[in-house]
Amino acid sequence: DIQMTQSPSSLSASVGDRVTITCRASQSISSYLNWYQQKPGKAPKLLIYAASSLQSGVPSRFSGSGSGTDFTLTISSLQPEDFATYYCQQSYSTPPTFGPGTKVDIK
Amino acid sequence: QLQLQESGPGLVKPSETLSLTCTVSGGSISSSSYYWGWIRQPPGKGLEWIGSIYYSGSTYYNPSLKSRVTISVDTSKNQFSLKLSSVTAADTAVYYCARRVATNAFDIWGQGTMVTVSS
Repeated sequence: DIQMTQSPSSLSASVGDRVTITCRASQSISSYLNWYQQKPGKAPKLLIYAASSLQSGVPSRFSGSGSGTDFTLTISSLQPEDFATYYCQQSYSTPPTFGPGTKVDIK
Repeated sequence: QLQLQESGPGLVKPSETLSLTCTVSGGSISSSSYYWGWIRQPPGKGLEWIGSIYYSGSTYYNPSLKSRVTISVDTSKNQFSLKLSSVTAADTAVYYCARRVATNAFDIWGQGTMVTVSS
């Protein structure tokens, strides 16, 4: 299985901050990387697919980049509704695997 | 728009079989463009893919669970189902059904259903 790691595991930020979350795969996954946002008690929501493509309806302050083994999710200006846990997921090979998550909370 | 809804018992005894159904509404499960999957999340932990199915019945499973998992589809009811046998407390989790698109991302999720394994 491809192992996914994320850093940091948690971060505190203020509204308006630029936030960057990193995801690393244990082997090259090309651009087969997706990002999800999960709020407490809710299902994950797809934000970014194929490393850098914005899912329909997702605000443009979210962006993704990277290829190979290293990827980033950036929130350009953190909004109150963005406080949540973010997961990366590789879709390069079966089984698809998720990172452990990065919790973004209020500073 | 397309919606997914999980249903099934919230409590299962150890060694028994967990059975859940996902009902798809607002669209057809028989679309050639999608796979349909199950993903679970133990309390306070991360996400684990269980397996996926195509409307034709073609399946693939997480090797870590393969010996205990069966996923099936009923196109006449627009549903797909999960059976997980010989459950233990480690199988306690929120179980989600989701649609997998061509990019292999999961773009639409059910609200999730909590299943507790306890005697």
